Amino acid sequence: EAGVAQSPRYKIIEKRQSVAFWCNPISGHATLYWYQQILGQGPKLLIQFQNNGVVDDSQLPKDRFSAERLKGVDSTLKIQPAKLEDSAVYLCASSSSSTQYFGPGTRLTVL
Amino acid sequence: AQSVSQHNHHVILSEAASLELGCNYSYGGTVNLFWYVQYPGQHLQLLLKYFSGDPLVKGIKGFEAEFIKSKFSFNLRKPSVQWSDTAEYFCAFNSGGGADGLTFGKGTHLIIQP
Repeated sequence: EAGVAQSPRYKIIEKRQSVAFWCNPISGHATLYWYQQILGQGPKLLIQFQNNGVVDDSQLPKDRFSAERLKGVDSTLKIQPAKLEDSAVYLCASSSSSTQYFGPGTRLTVL
Repeated sequence: AQSVSQHNHHVILSEAASLELGCNYSYGGTVNLFWYVQYPGQHLQLLLKYFSGDPLVKGIKGFEAEFIKSKFSFNLRKPSVQWSDTAEYFCAFNSGGGADGLTFGKGTHLIIQP
């Protein structure tokens, strides 16, 4: 079974630029999550989708972050404009029940 | 606010030593508890989980954890560690039916010396 796919794996941008991350969940998984993991911290939930609807986006900084899952499968997370404090690993996870399966993450560096 | 506290950020042990990693959560309702592990260069993967029933749960690779409700704790244990257990360990929880987003602790970096 293929795992959660994410791209790109690494991204370096300058502050105030925009960036987008892509996630392809495990086939058949209705629930998709985006987490932000800052160095030295545990992952923090940004947004949760059930199919193509948002379940929880209470911790998403909506002034600069946006996410979508238009067809209930792939998802994109966008940051515009990026700030220095957005440097982190962005993790995508998917689940069909109670176990979340994580992708390799995208490491973002904002200079 | 809900949170998870992992008491040790860095632990160094010799092979065959016993391991116990502490985890306490802060939440007023019913919780589901998880331990995730991240081996060097690999994805986060589930080690074990507790939803209900027997508070002592067993996971992969000989790990187990005990849920003590009165102490809001879910400590991870292994009687004899191996060099291959070197990894980052994260305690997490969610509420509801188990599909909610997870609240993670900061993690414990475990190094096993051969």
